[in-house]
Amino acid sequence: GQQLNQSPQSMFIQEGEDVSMNCTSSSIFNTWLWYKQDPGEGPVLLIALYKAGELTSNGRLTAQFGITRKDSFLNISASIPSDVGIYFCAGQGAGGTSYGKLTFGQGTILTVHP
Amino acid sequence: KAGVTQTPRYLIKTRGQQVTLSCSPISGHRSVSWYQQTPGQGLQFLFEYFSETQRNKGNFPGRFSGRQFSNSRSEMNVSTLELGDSALYLCASSLEPSSYEQYFGPGTRLTVT
Repeated sequence: GQQLNQSPQSMFIQEGEDVSMNCTSSSIFNTWLWYKQDPGEGPVLLIALYKAGELTSNGRLTAQFGITRKDSFLNISASIPSDVGIYFCAGQGAGGTSYGKLTFGQGTILTVHP
Repeated sequence: KAGVTQTPRYLIKTRGQQVTLSCSPISGHRSVSWYQQTPGQGLQFLFEYFSETQRNKGNFPGRFSGRQFSNSRSEMNVSTLELGDSALYLCASSLEPSSYEQYFGPGTRLTVT
């Protein structure tokens, strides 16, 4: 089946630093999504990307949909302690039996030291 | 507007038993999807329901089943539980099927002993 390779697996940074994480896939996706999950909660949608090459911002977050539709990155600028959590990328299938299904990356665990 | 609610939040079962988990979507949302989250496999899609019909299914054995009621509430059932079924089961609702804009509930933490 479809798989997403997300990296890095974990990051330990100082407050104020910028963060970058990315996802790659061997399959094409129609839509790339980035979620954040806090302990004891379900994932919350941060950014959705619809078009190849699209660059979208949401406050301190910036994400891009790769030109080949097989990759995406998420940047967080000037990190703060509440950015702590697990970040997931997800791709929505482009066709066939994968159409409409969300495939998730393994997640990036972000720790921010004050 | 209330978010997605899942009950129970925590559950402990023994191998061989069966379990039923419940999900109430956001008011007005008609599509419900279920996911299994484990440390080893991450988040994996189980199935999606819309208008009381299963529209999409992931690669899970037949022991995993679900249904949706006319009020869009959904239940999933796991029969003959195995140790490997221990996981966080997440429900997500959306307005329409196959929508990327899914809103997740807090999950049900199932432990199988």
